[in-house]
Amino acid sequence: SAVISQKPSRDICQRGTSLTIQCQVDSQVTMMFWYRQQPGQSLTLIATANQGSEATYESGFVIDKFPISRPNLTFSTLTVSNMSPEDSSIYLCSGQTQNYGYTFGSGTRLTVV
Amino acid sequence: TQLLEQSPQFLSIQEGENLTVYCNSSSVFSSLQWYRQEPGEGPVLLVTVVTGGEVKKLKRLTFQFGDARKDSSLHITAAQPGDTGLYLCAGTAGNTGKLIFGQGTTLQVKP
Repeated sequence: SAVISQKPSRDICQRGTSLTIQCQVDSQVTMMFWYRQQPGQSLTLIATANQGSEATYESGFVIDKFPISRPNLTFSTLTVSNMSPEDSSIYLCSGQTQNYGYTFGSGTRLTVV
Repeated sequence: TQLLEQSPQFLSIQEGENLTVYCNSSSVFSSLQWYRQEPGEGPVLLVTVVTGGEVKKLKRLTFQFGDARKDSSLHITAAQPGDTGLYLCAGTAGNTGKLIFGQGTTLQVKP
């Protein structure tokens, strides 16, 4: 199955700054998604990363705050913009392979101070 | 909006005990998946169920998909400390490919 390399694995950032998280898949995936997760809790979908076009955002998430790029079938980035302490969370990317298979990156633990 | 209600949210048991985690919805899902996640890692897929009434076994884990494809269960027999982790059910929402996650079950198995 596909393997996703996600980086950075963790970061501590100052409020008001931005952080870009990258995900690289070792094979083509049909769809890519970005999630947010509080430690020990479930995953909340932020957006679907569409190749070559604007991402599709879920309710409560907007492009200005979480710009997403997906230039090809194996790579995507999520930027957390103008960060505040409320953005402290774990961010994960996911890729959908054939036959409903999904694979996840290992996550980025973000702390905003 | 499709929702998945997962229960219990926390479970602490002794080694050797059996347990069942439930995942329920009022909506029909085209498929349902179970994941296990450890701290610092992404969720790892355990199983995908697609057919109503389907039962799948993975060693000591038994997964069931309801006949109406609205609910699922995960049963662990003779739990071991290595089973400790966060268990998540997730359903695919229509044709979008998006995964909708349940709230998760934190399982602790004490030796």
